[in-house]
Amino acid sequence: AQTVTQSQPEMSVQEAETVTLSCTYDTSESDYYLFWYKQPPSRQMILVIRQEAYKQQNATENRFSVNFQKAAKSFSLKISDSQLGDAAMYFCAYRPNSGYALNFGKGTSLLVTP
Amino acid sequence: NAGVTQTPKFRVLKTGQSMTLLCAQDMNHEYMYWYRQDPGMGLRLIHYSVGEGTTAKGEVPDGYNVSRLKKQNFLLGLESAAPSQTSVYFCASRTGSNPLHFGNGTRLTVT
Repeated sequence: AQTVTQSQPEMSVQEAETVTLSCTYDTSESDYYLFWYKQPPSRQMILVIRQEAYKQQNATENRFSVNFQKAAKSFSLKISDSQLGDAAMYFCAYRPNSGYALNFGKGTSLLVTP
Repeated sequence: NAGVTQTPKFRVLKTGQSMTLLCAQDMNHEYMYWYRQDPGMGLRLIHYSVGEGTTAKGEVPDGYNVSRLKKQNFLLGLESAAPSQTSVYFCASRTGSNPLHFGNGTRLTVT
């Protein structure tokens, strides 16, 4: 079974600073997808960023970027120039190309302080 | 486009009662999913469907049943609710290799 581990239950960052959220996963597959989802207090699940395992280039979406280390099975999320609106629960998720289900980590709660 | 719509948004049940959660999507997605979210546990997959008329078990299927009679709808049933089923339930759908689209969740409390 594939598992996704987020080792930081809570993180804190000051506004305008940079923070990195960690995620590791366990798989024997070579082709898969990785995602970061954001869940603000509204409870909505919002896709932040997506990475295909066959792509060596790290995905970037504005202030959000990932550090994808396939050999180490690591997929960290970097948030630059943090804003108060970034405060949320962040979930890392994995899906093999051969499978249907998305497996989630337990989440990291990000607090952004002024 | 409404996306993924979950009904109801909130519900309180007594132990032993039954209920059905409805998920509807208007994006013609093939795949649909039911997850539950509990504090400190992330999202765990209950059941999923890869097409009309098909369903499959996820990680935590016990106590739940599902049906997908129409492509756009995915129903989650609790036949005899238990306090352990108190949770927030999310429906999601996707097509091809695209990411999941989520509904806004249903908060269920079983007393």
